[in-house]
Formats: sequence, structure tokens, C-alpha cells
Amino acid sequence: EPEVTQTPSHQVTQMGQEVILRCVPISNHLYFYWYRQILGQKVEFLVSFYNNEISEKSEIFDDQFSVERPDGSNFTLKIRSTKLEDSAMYFCASRGQAIYGYTFGSGTRLTVV
Amino acid sequence: DAKTTQPPSMDCAEGRAANLPCNHSTISGNEYVYWYRQIHSQGPQYIIHGLKNNETNEMASLIITEDRKSSTLILPHATLRDTAVYYCIVLQPMNDMRFGAGTRLTVKP
Repeated sequence: EPEVTQTPSHQVTQMGQEVILRCVPISNHLYFYWYRQILGQKVEFLVSFYNNEISEKSEIFDDQFSVERPDGSNFTLKIRSTKLEDSAMYFCASRGQAIYGYTFGSGTRLTVV
Repeated sequence: DAKTTQPPSMDCAEGRAANLPCNHSTISGNEYVYWYRQIHSQGPQYIIHGLKNNETNEMASLIITEDRKSSTLILPHATLRDTAVYYCIVLQPMNDMRFGAGTRLTVKP
């Protein structure tokens, strides 16, 4: 069964450093998403991406965040200057048609120290 | 998701059916009901979705009331591996999905 692949599975970074979280969505999917989950809290929407541009972003997705689909296969989330409160699981998701369910990756655990 | 109400937790005996309720009294005509689950800290997993007809797949059945104001996800023979947080989400397909707190289902031996 096709899956969404995220790398790395765990990343530790110093506060103020830039991080790039990588995702390979399912190959024929058209819609791409990033979510995050702070430990013990609910899954929060960050951003959606369709047709090579951001469709929608939440209030969490401020100027420190950016997304890119550089080569038609990867979908990346960049955090420019990490803060302690960015520590969370970050999930990438994709879907083929609007009506279908999302397929999520297994996540990247980001720890900012 | 503020559009749905789910009990915070439920228990179910292994091998029995797990029936997870969801209220969505303000659902509009073009909104679907989606169910996902999250096992421990894994990524959420799509289970099933429906508009107004009952739906069944290899994982579960979805029963939607005739007025569409509530639905029930049924896991016919729950196993320990079905222990997870289950999310009921009401959504127009073109909109982006938001998660609520869900129902924490614990399957007990």
C-alpha cells in the first residue's frame, strides 16, 4: 500500500537554528499538508498546499515557517529560527482527490534544546 | 473540531463490537463525516467517510442517522491493536481538516 514517508524520524536542534523536515507524499496525490502535535495535545493544522502554492495556513504558521515542493516529489517544511515551543511531532499528509481521506506519514519528532 | 461532539473516553472488551458515537447537529448538506484514528504517537490513520448512506470497509462500518445529525463508527470485533484515539470530523471535501480531542478507546482483554 502506498505510503507517505517522512525523514528524519527524530531531529534534535539548538534553539535559533533552522530545520528542514522532509516528506515524500504519495506519487499521484495533489494535496499536501503539514500538521503538528505537541506532546499530550491535539493534532493541529499548519498548512495546506495545492497546485504549487499554499492554499491555507493556520495562525501557527507564521513567518518562521515555509513550505516548498522543490522537485515534484519532496514536500518540505522549514522552520527558520527554532524556538523551544516548536518541539513537537510534525506530520505530513497527502491526498489524491478532494473527497478522499488523507494519508499521513509516521511523523518527525522535533526536539529544540 | 467544534462541529462535532465525542465522548472523551470509552472502553470495549476484546472481541466485542466497539460503537463510537459522534454528534454533529450543525452539519450542512455538502459536508461529509470522516473518521480517523491515532494509535499512540503514530500519524493519524484514515478509517472511513460518508455523506448520508451507511458505509462499510475492511476496517469499520459507519452508520449515519437519517437527519445526519449524528453517526456511529463500528469496529465489529475490537482487538487490543484498536486501542487508539478516534476522531470524528465533519468537512467539506475542499476544506482543510481540523482535529478535535476525539474519543480515547481502550480495548481490554
